[in-house]
Amino acid sequence: KNQVEQSPQSLIILEGKNCTLQCNYTVSPFSNLRWYKQDTGRGPVSLTIMTFSENTKSNGRYTATLDADTKQSSLHITASQLSDSASYICVVRVTMKTSYDKVIFGPGTSLSVIP
Amino acid sequence: NAGVTQTPKFRVLKTGQSMTLLCAQDMNHEYMYWYRQDPGMGLRLIHYSVGEGTTAKGEVPDGYNVSRLKKQNFLLGLESAAPSQTSVYFCASSSRVGNQPQHFGDGTRLSIL
Repeated sequence: KNQVEQSPQSLIILEGKNCTLQCNYTVSPFSNLRWYKQDTGRGPVSLTIMTFSENTKSNGRYTATLDADTKQSSLHITASQLSDSASYICVVRVTMKTSYDKVIFGPGTSLSVIP
Repeated sequence: NAGVTQTPKFRVLKTGQSMTLLCAQDMNHEYMYWYRQDPGMGLRLIHYSVGEGTTAKGEVPDGYNVSRLKKQNFLLGLESAAPSQTSVYFCASSSRVGNQPQHFGDGTRLSIL
């Protein structure tokens, strides 16, 4: 069964500290993995995309890693800011034989950055 | 550039009532989607469309209908609302070209009493 799991479920950190969010998936055949940020009351917004051949990709203070062998990804946030408080969602795309590729959403990690 | 716009933003219905949620996108995207988001669960696909005039069932289609008469609009209908349909509904759109992200609206918060 295609599944995406995330840990921790929630996290509280002090402003300025770093943190790492985890994503494990059992998806086949794998197409790509994307991290989204969802602010409270808003829709998700894409942060990064990782394809099979990529190990690391950065977007400002956000760095995503992918280990396709162990089917794990992480999102590292450096020097956290109050505006990083949000839910972070791991999304894996499954390659389909049809024109539409299926995407599977993880449940998200709720991050709270406190002063 | 508005992106994806959903209306209404909030709605309270009584069991058995019907309503339509509207989604509009101005990015000329071919694909459009309706999701529901419930606490502790990932977004679940209700219905989707790969082009004007076409729709298909997603993961949780029961109790919902959709229509895509124009490329820029995707409507989600609840014919007879049930309390189990209380949720936050998100519309998204994406290009069919390459590994493009889905662009989401800000959601419709729907409560069924």
